[in-house]
Amino acid sequence: GGIITQTPKFLIGQEGQKLTLKCQQNFNHDTMYWYRQDSGKGLRLIYYSITENDLQKGDLSEGYDASREKKSSFSLTVTSAQKNEMAVFLCASRDRGTEVFFGKGTRLTVV
Amino acid sequence: GDSVTQTEGLVTLTEGLPVMLNCTYQTIYSNPFLFWYVQHLNESPRLLLKSFTDNKRTEHQGFHATLHKSSSSFHLQKSSAQLSDSALYYCALTGGYKVVFGSGTRLLVSP
Repeated sequence: GGIITQTPKFLIGQEGQKLTLKCQQNFNHDTMYWYRQDSGKGLRLIYYSITENDLQKGDLSEGYDASREKKSSFSLTVTSAQKNEMAVFLCASRDRGTEVFFGKGTRLTVV
Repeated sequence: GDSVTQTEGLVTLTEGLPVMLNCTYQTIYSNPFLFWYVQHLNESPRLLLKSFTDNKRTEHQGFHATLHKSSSSFHLQKSSAQLSDSALYYCALTGGYKVVFGSGTRLLVSP
């Protein structure tokens, strides 16, 4: 088995701040994902990456950047945090033909 | 693009009654993978069921679903709800690298 580690678990930022969320996986999976979870809106795809140094935009990429410098890691940057924003960001990974495995999430609060 | 529709945001049931959560999808792929994920409070989503075979029933932990390509559906069912089934359920779809989730259905089972 493997594990997906997201850091930090909780992130409090200020309006306009640039914030970075990190994700590491030891499954040796090729594809990694960032999803945003808001109550009542499900899991919305922000970015995904099919291999090292590859980036693909999801449906919610505006306001975010991503980076995949190594196969095992995938980071997400909130380019300018919005006041009163509150959401959980979930990192995930998979190999093609298999299911998605999720990390435990980073809970973002913007004050 | 691909999309998944879960029409019920909230389903409330009494223990012992049957469960049916709806999932329909749209995709350009002729052989998509369909998944059901379950997320309990303060946990990450985890796989419950998966299928890519048309008209074949797949079962796990008392739940079952059948992929029907003719109606683009993958409804989740269980014959008798338990209190521990209370959770958020997501239907998801992939035909390639991108994995798209529905908006989720919250199931609340009461005594």
